[in-house]
Amino acid sequence: AQTVTQSQPEMSVQEAETVTLSCTYDTSESDYYLFWYKQPPSRQMILVIRQEAYKQQNATENRFSVNFQKAAKSFSLKISDSQLGDAAMYFCAYRRVSGNTPLVFGKGTRLSVIA
Amino acid sequence: GAGVSQSPSNKVTEKGKDVELRCDPISGHTALYWYRQSLGQGLEFLIYFQGNSAPDKSGLPSDRFSAERTGGSVSTLTIQRTQQEDSAVYLCASSFLKGQGSTDTQYFGPGTRLTVL
Repeated sequence: AQTVTQSQPEMSVQEAETVTLSCTYDTSESDYYLFWYKQPPSRQMILVIRQEAYKQQNATENRFSVNFQKAAKSFSLKISDSQLGDAAMYFCAYRRVSGNTPLVFGKGTRLSVIA
Repeated sequence: GAGVSQSPSNKVTEKGKDVELRCDPISGHTALYWYRQSLGQGLEFLIYFQGNSAPDKSGLPSDRFSAERTGGSVSTLTIQRTQQEDSAVYLCASSFLKGQGSTDTQYFGPGTRLTVL
């Protein structure tokens, strides 16, 4: 079974600084997708960024980028120029390629942004 | 609608009572998922529906949990004889099936917070 591990229950960052959230996963599949979701206090899960495992290039979305290390099964999220609105729970998730299968989530990292 | 909606937003019930949670997916989305988020935990998969196929119920924690999706749209998650350990946020998500292997994004609703006293 696939598992996703987020080893940092809590992180904090100064406004305008950069922070990296860690995620590792375990799978025997060679093709899969990885995601980072953000969950603010409103409970709404919002997709931040996604990565296809067959792509070597790291995904980037504005201030958010990932460091995808397939051999190490590592998928970290870097947030640059942190803003107060970035404060939230961040979840790393995995999904197999075949079909619309459910996401497998890590336990999350709570990010605080200090003004 | 513009997004996935869920009702009620919050539900408080007494142990032993039955509850029904509703999810209204994005119009046209063929896949619908239910997840449970317990305090301090990540999201745990419960059940998913895909088109007219039989649902994948492999994540349901007990036979007290059931779900249906009527007309390929609205879904209801029912918990019978609720227990205190059922207290959690129940999240629904939907996605559009484009084809095998596509990275269809799952769009989430705001969830229902269930409290069993």
